[in-house]
Amino acid sequence: QKEVEQDPGPLSVPEGAIVSLNCTYSNSAFQYFMWYRQYSRKGPELLMYTYSSGNKEDGRFTAQVDKSSKYISLFIRDSQPSDSATYLCAPGGPNSGGSNYKLTFGKGTLLTVNP
Amino acid sequence: DTGVSQDPRHKITKRGQNVTFRCDPISEHNRLYWYRQTLGQGPEFLTYFQNEAQLEKSRLLSDRFSAERPKGSFSTLEIQRTEQGDSAMYLCASSLMGGGGSYEQYFGPGTRLTVT
Repeated sequence: QKEVEQDPGPLSVPEGAIVSLNCTYSNSAFQYFMWYRQYSRKGPELLMYTYSSGNKEDGRFTAQVDKSSKYISLFIRDSQPSDSATYLCAPGGPNSGGSNYKLTFGKGTLLTVNP
Repeated sequence: DTGVSQDPRHKITKRGQNVTFRCDPISEHNRLYWYRQTLGQGPEFLTYFQNEAQLEKSRLLSDRFSAERPKGSFSTLEIQRTEQGDSAMYLCASSLMGGGGSYEQYFGPGTRLTVT
């Protein structure tokens, strides 16, 4: 079992839709949770981060973490064509190597928002 | 405030050649990371530095790979005797170690390596 599982999609939605992106993870020691957005052939851009279970909202984006079920979500409200990108979840924290600072990425979900 | 920069952005090389990539982190950041990303996959951790000390290396980092951060500022990643399997996007990220523990990593644009 991979440490982080993410449905690769692709996911296609109409403009204005609410988008739900999800990851599951197996390492219960993960302490912090990042979401990155990556446009084609670019580096990942940090979108949201949270250090605890619960919700964190930033504009149209909400990150949700449920540590008890090891489930991470990102919600995008009023989606726009400019949101079309690959979304990567990346939990981090103590791992088998003992590092607190390594991020373990999911495969990414390719999202297309159609005008 | 400039972000993380990487050079070159693209590199095409023949199998067996050596290549070197450079990363300049955000100026006040003391941690620097290297990741590798292949098509359709998320980035995979290679190694990280705190200041000039290399504190962790992934098993992905074979003997042909070496990374340095000589003065705790920019870093270089060298691949010797490149193989076709080394073709990937090489990503650099940096973060700031703070009193509260800061884990946010900011990525550069990447260096895309093609080995022919």
